Amino acid sequence: GQQLNQSPQSMFIQEGEDVSMNCTSSSIFNTWLWYKQDPGEGPVLLIALYKAGELTSNGRLTAQFGITRKDSFLNISASIPSDVGIYFCAGLPGNMLTFGGGTRLMVKP
Amino acid sequence: DAGVIQSPRHEVTEMGQEVTLRCKPISGHDYLFWYRQTMMRGLELLIYFNNNVPIDDSGMPEDRFSAKMPNASFSTLKIQPSEPRDSAVYFCASSLPGRYGYTFGSGTRLTVV
Repeated sequence: GQQLNQSPQSMFIQEGEDVSMNCTSSSIFNTWLWYKQDPGEGPVLLIALYKAGELTSNGRLTAQFGITRKDSFLNISASIPSDVGIYFCAGLPGNMLTFGGGTRLMVKP
Repeated sequence: DAGVIQSPRHEVTEMGQEVTLRCKPISGHDYLFWYRQTMMRGLELLIYFNNNVPIDDSGMPEDRFSAKMPNASFSTLKIQPSEPRDSAVYFCASSLPGRYGYTFGSGTRLTVV
């Protein structure tokens, strides 16, 4: 089946630092999505990408759909304590979402 | 819209008991998904429905698990009998057809002792 490799698995950073995480696939995806899961809640959609090369921002978050259609990255600028959570990439090779293993982000005030 | 609504939020039960988790999807969403999340295995798709019909249940771990969707606004996931290894957070999600992503509920944290 489809495999999404998400890295890093966890990050512990200082408030104010920028964060970068990425996702790679062995297959071509038509859509890339980035979700955030707050503690005790379900994942919430942050950004959706639909075209190779597309760069999309949502506040301090920026995500890009890789040119090869096999990767995507998410950047968070000037991190704040409420950025804490698990970030998941997800891809649509067809009709069903495939999720990465998640990046657990911890922010030290 | 109130989003995807799951109940209960927390469930603690004894091994061997029947557990029923409930989900109300977003009105108008044609797809409904049940996921299980654990530290070891991450998010696992258990089963999904399209227009109330189960399409793929290959992720259901054993015959002890069953899911139904009697109408467009309600689905259940049942575990009978429950075992300690079933302890996890169970999420329901719904979506429109196409590339719009899924909307998740807040999950049910199940603890089987």
